[in-house]
Formats: sequence, C-alpha cells, structure tokens
Amino acid sequence: GQNIDQPTEMTATEGAIVQINCTYQTSGFNGLFWYQQHAGEAPTFLSYNVLDGLEEKGRFSSFLSRSKGYSYLLLKELQMKDSASYLCAVRDQGGATNKLIFGTGTLLAVQP
Amino acid sequence: ETGVTQSPTHLIKTRGQQVTLRCSSQSGHNTVSWYQQALGQGPQFIFQYYREEENGRGNFPPRFSGLQFPNYSSELNVNALELDDSALYLCASSWGGLGTNEQFFGPGTRLTVL
Repeated sequence: GQNIDQPTEMTATEGAIVQINCTYQTSGFNGLFWYQQHAGEAPTFLSYNVLDGLEEKGRFSSFLSRSKGYSYLLLKELQMKDSASYLCAVRDQGGATNKLIFGTGTLLAVQP
Repeated sequence: ETGVTQSPTHLIKTRGQQVTLRCSSQSGHNTVSWYQQALGQGPQFIFQYYREEENGRGNFPPRFSGLQFPNYSSELNVNALELDDSALYLCASSWGGLGTNEQFFGPGTRLTVL
C-alpha cells in the first residue's frame, strides 16, 4: 500500500529551528518533494530529494534516507510568515510519470 | 512566463449536478495533473494528462473524467455530484521530460456541493 506519515501539528518560536519529519512506505519511489501551503492557497515547491543526503536551499534544508523511508524538512531562522502547512509527497515510480502521493500535511504555527 | 491558472475560483453546486473545472498550464508545460484536497488533508491524485492522453489515474470513480487540449490546457469533469466531492481541486502542470519534473500548482477551485 501507499502510506506517508507526518505529524499533524507543530509549534515553534520565531527565530528558532524546526524539523518536520516524514516517513513513507510506497510501492515505487522516484523522488520526494516538500511543498508549503498557506491556508486557502496552492502548494508551492520547497525542495526535492531523489538521492540520500541533505539538500540545502537558503533557510530550508531537506534530508532523505531511502533505506529508512525517511525524510525531514529543516527550517531555520523561523519567521512568522513560515506559519503554514508543510506537505511531504513521494513521486510514484509506476504508471504516471509524475503522480505525487501526499501526506496529510504538518500545520506549523510560528509564535512570537 | 504565465503561471498555472484555474477557473472558476469558487463554485457551489447541488447533489446530482455536473461540473466542469478548467486549468491553463504554465507556458512550456505539456503535462497536467489534477488533485482533490479535502479540508485538513493532503491532495489526492485524480489523474494526469500528457500530450492529450490520460497517463495515470488515482482511486477515483469513472464519473471523474478529463480532457487535455492541443494547447495543453485541461478540464476536469465530475458527473452526479455527491456531498463528499466538496473540496479544493488543484491542477498542477509540469514538463513531462527527464529531470525534477517539479509540479507547479494553480490556485485551485473550491467546490461546494449542497
């Protein structure tokens, strides 16, 4: 089956660092994506990992371990505008070229 | 470069009716995917179109159908609407070649079925 797990909610303080974890069990794997989604808006792309290791992009970093079926998104120097839902998505290898399987999202609240 | 656009923004229908949602893909993209996002959930894959052909389908009944046009824009049609079809419908476009194939999402259509 296809299963992607991430915490439902997290709270962090402005200026701090937060790590959002994602574990997955999918029949195929062709990359893992992280998206940010503000309430009532479309998801926007944050990062992509297909090989093991860390990808850094400004204040955001994403890590992947394919053997463990595990990824995390690290947000540094948190800002109030980072309050949003963070979606972990796995690209399914079989069938559609670009089918994404999403987790339910982690709602991050950044407090002053 | 024009981003992904969707219309309408909001729509209210009653049970049993039919609805058509529209999506214009980002310039240069030939692949369109449709997702349904219920409140508090992640998006669920409905289907994907690549060069006007359906190229993969999720676990949705046949009353969900679609089209892609030569300019790569797309429609999602839903027949015999049910209350559970109330959701945000997202369209995402991408380039169906090698590489990251990052999907760019449109703003969505909020469908309410009464």
